[in-house]
Amino acid sequence: GAGVSQSPSNKVTEKGKDVELRCDPISGHTALYWYRQSLGQGLEFLIYFQGNSAPDKSGLPSDRFSAERTGGSVSTLTIQRTQQEDSAVYLCASSLSEQTTNYGYTFGSGTRLTVV
Amino acid sequence: EDKVVQSPLSLVVHEGDTVTLNCSYEVTNFRSLLWYKQEKKAPTFLFMLTSSGIEKKSGRLSSILDKKELFSILNITATQTGDSAVYLCAVKGRAGNMLTFGGGTRLMVKP
Repeated sequence: GAGVSQSPSNKVTEKGKDVELRCDPISGHTALYWYRQSLGQGLEFLIYFQGNSAPDKSGLPSDRFSAERTGGSVSTLTIQRTQQEDSAVYLCASSLSEQTTNYGYTFGSGTRLTVV
Repeated sequence: EDKVVQSPLSLVVHEGDTVTLNCSYEVTNFRSLLWYKQEKKAPTFLFMLTSSGIEKKSGRLSSILDKKELFSILNITATQTGDSAVYLCAVKGRAGNMLTFGGGTRLMVKP
């Protein structure tokens, strides 16, 4: 696609429920990242996929968080048993590769998650 | 742990003013520093800096990196209301291509 597409754009869920957030990166981009931005804060790294390599999960805050990337394209971030502190904007970004970074990442518009 | 600190946290100016936003960092194996503009949700890329002392310029925006003193500045001249946004600084350090972001500077330009 022309840009990074995320869905849904907004999600309100009850505490304890599971949620799935979707990211469709730019076609041909082999690298995909998930970040989280809490209100008034900077971006917090969550997970990084590069091609067929094992993902870097070092930023995931707890084992309630997981992500997968199917077929090297679409990625899904899953949060199980959501807590109120999970409320944030979840941003996905993609780039061509680790080496091709003259323009940085391209970010999607994010999913605003509210846990009530 | 890589660290990025931005200052000021917020700034209010009038149209036509010049502003300077600051970004200092501590990072292992520094590779590059990036500036983004975030108006609503999606940050948009402004600059990537890898070498000290070389100014990057795009219209009224410019940025420079000092790798010795570990900081970068983003200058905006002749500010316009459309410059109102959060400006994010990020560094790329250890392998893996992920970025460590600062907390951002919220700029408001009043007419």
